[in-house]
Amino acid sequence: AQSVTQLDSHVSVSEGTPVLLRCNYSSSYSPSLFWYVQHPNKGLQLLLKYTSAATLVKGINGFEAEFKKSETSFHLTKPSAHMSDAAEYFCVVRDSGSARQLTFGSGTQLTVLP
Amino acid sequence: GAVVSQHPSRVICKSGTSVKIECRSLDFQATTMFWYRQFPKQSLMLMATSNEGSKATYEQGVEKDKFLINHASLTLSTLTVTSAHPEDSSFYICSARLTTVIDEQFFGPGTRLTVL
Repeated sequence: AQSVTQLDSHVSVSEGTPVLLRCNYSSSYSPSLFWYVQHPNKGLQLLLKYTSAATLVKGINGFEAEFKKSETSFHLTKPSAHMSDAAEYFCVVRDSGSARQLTFGSGTQLTVLP
Repeated sequence: GAVVSQHPSRVICKSGTSVKIECRSLDFQATTMFWYRQFPKQSLMLMATSNEGSKATYEQGVEKDKFLINHASLTLSTLTVTSAHPEDSSFYICSARLTTVIDEQFFGPGTRLTVL
């Protein structure tokens, strides 16, 4: 069985400073990993995904994540936070079965201070 | 492209009534759709996997007789909450799996259900 652990339930940064949202995964095979963002009362938007190609993945809105197999991590970063980045972020692992189900982490609420 | 809609976006109902939520893939066909439930300040929990033309597969602990899923066409899946109770109040989100060119799930905007 696979799982993801998001190490911080809340992260608060000042506008213009770097963002780091941490995620560790557990999987018995080479996983597919995703980061999604959810703004209040809205659906989920895919930020980026790792599917066994390049380990450094660039996504939308300046976000990127690095897959580190030795550390079983897939942390999300952004060099400079913007007020519009305030939202809930989910790290997600996808199973390799035919249904390709997603397992969500518990989420990290990002607050951006002016 | 790859847009998923849900209807209604919000619904309030009385305890004991049934509520139907629709999930549509607007510009692609989806043989597989998923239904999730999200409680306030919590993560998404997969309720069931819906396959076009066959019975849905429910996750452990999800009552299939309470949460009826129908995937009658390649663009529509419905979730009916039967005999709703206040504890069923939640945010229900669907996703549709696109398997041509890429293999990715696209999410609907969610339906907020409040049972009085």
